Amino acid sequence: AQTVTQSQPEMSVQEAETVTLSCTYDTSESDYYLFWYKQPPSRQMILVIRQEAYKQQNATENRFSVNFQKAAKSFSLKISDSQLGDAAMYFCAFQGGSEKLVFGKGTKLTVNP
Amino acid sequence: DTGVSQNPRHKITKRGQNVTFRCDPISEHNRLYWYRQTLGQGPEFLTYFQNEAQLEKSRLLSDRFSAERPKGSFSTLEIQRTEQGDSAMYLCASSSPGLASYEQYFGPGTRLTVT
Repeated sequence: AQTVTQSQPEMSVQEAETVTLSCTYDTSESDYYLFWYKQPPSRQMILVIRQEAYKQQNATENRFSVNFQKAAKSFSLKISDSQLGDAAMYFCAFQGGSEKLVFGKGTKLTVNP
Repeated sequence: DTGVSQNPRHKITKRGQNVTFRCDPISEHNRLYWYRQTLGQGPEFLTYFQNEAQLEKSRLLSDRFSAERPKGSFSTLEIQRTEQGDSAMYLCASSSPGLASYEQYFGPGTRLTVT
């Protein structure tokens, strides 16, 4: 069974600075997808960024980028130029042959003005 | 495109009562998923449908839980004889095979409180 581990229950960052959220996973599959989802307080979960395991190039979406290390089974999220609106729970998720998403426990990100 | 909708948004019930939640996926999304999220945890997969067929069920889905998706459109999740441990946020998501990696779009959730 796949597992996803987020070792940082909480993180904080100053507005306009950069923060990195960590995620590791365990799987025996070779083809899979990895995701970072954002869940603002009392609001629905939205997709931040997606990485296909077969792609060596790290995904980037505006201020959000990932560092995907397949051999180490590591998938960290870097948020540049942090904004107050980035404050939320961030979940790392794995999707393999089964379509279900396997989530980590999340990291609560606080952005300080 | 109005997104995934869920009703009700909040439900308070007494232990032992039955509850039913509804999820309306994004139109033309043929895949629909149910997850459960307890406080301080990430969502956990419960079940998913492709059109009207229920293709996978988690061990978390005890006999008291049943999900349906008649006609492959909206879905309902029923919990019979609720227990306090059923208190959680129930999330619905949908996706389309036309989307890369079957990207899942989530609804706002139904928060269940069992007293």
